[in-house]
Amino acid sequence: GIQVEQSPPDLILQEGANSTLRCNFSDSVNNLQWFHQNPWGQLINLFYIPSGTKQNGRLSATTVATERYSLLYISSSQTTDSGVYFCAVELFSGGKLTFGQGTILTVHP
Amino acid sequence: DTGVSQDPRHKITKRGQNVTFRCDPISEHNRLYWYRQTLGQGPEFLTYFQNEAQLEKSRLLSDRFSAERPKGSFSTLEIQRTEQGDSAMYLCASPQSWIGGRLFFGPGTRLTVL
Repeated sequence: GIQVEQSPPDLILQEGANSTLRCNFSDSVNNLQWFHQNPWGQLINLFYIPSGTKQNGRLSATTVATERYSLLYISSSQTTDSGVYFCAVELFSGGKLTFGQGTILTVHP
Repeated sequence: DTGVSQDPRHKITKRGQNVTFRCDPISEHNRLYWYRQTLGQGPEFLTYFQNEAQLEKSRLLSDRFSAERPKGSFSTLEIQRTEQGDSAMYLCASPQSWIGGRLFFGPGTRLTVL
């Protein structure tokens, strides 16, 4: 099956710092989504981004489908950004999502 | 609030007991997905429905697991003869629209098997 690798596995930042999270995938995909899992376990959908760049406030994401990777940028990080960030890919429309192992982000005040 | 609700939020049971979880998806959306997440891992796909039809099942879904979606609305996931290895967070998800798009997850049911 498709492999999804995220890096780095752990990231520790001071509040106000910027960061880039990476997601590599091993096959062509129909779409890619980024999620944030908060400390209470709730998964929040951040982006649906099969290709191109999208921005939502301090967060932005870029997917280069031809090179099979996606990047999630977090600017001016806040303590509330802490949690686990997952990318997930879908091979065909309506199919299952395959998740990476996640990046654990800790933002200190 | 993602519009997906799950019940119960927590379940503690003894090994060998049966448990059933319920998911109420974003109303009138035809697809519904079940995932399982263990500590330190990303969610893993279990099964999904299109309306009342169960279209795909993961090999993670042993014979002790059964999922249903009567009338294409809410869904239930039952685990029979629970084992300690079944302890996990069970997540239900619903897509943004009829044609798919962003996937929205419920809060999950955390199962602990003693």
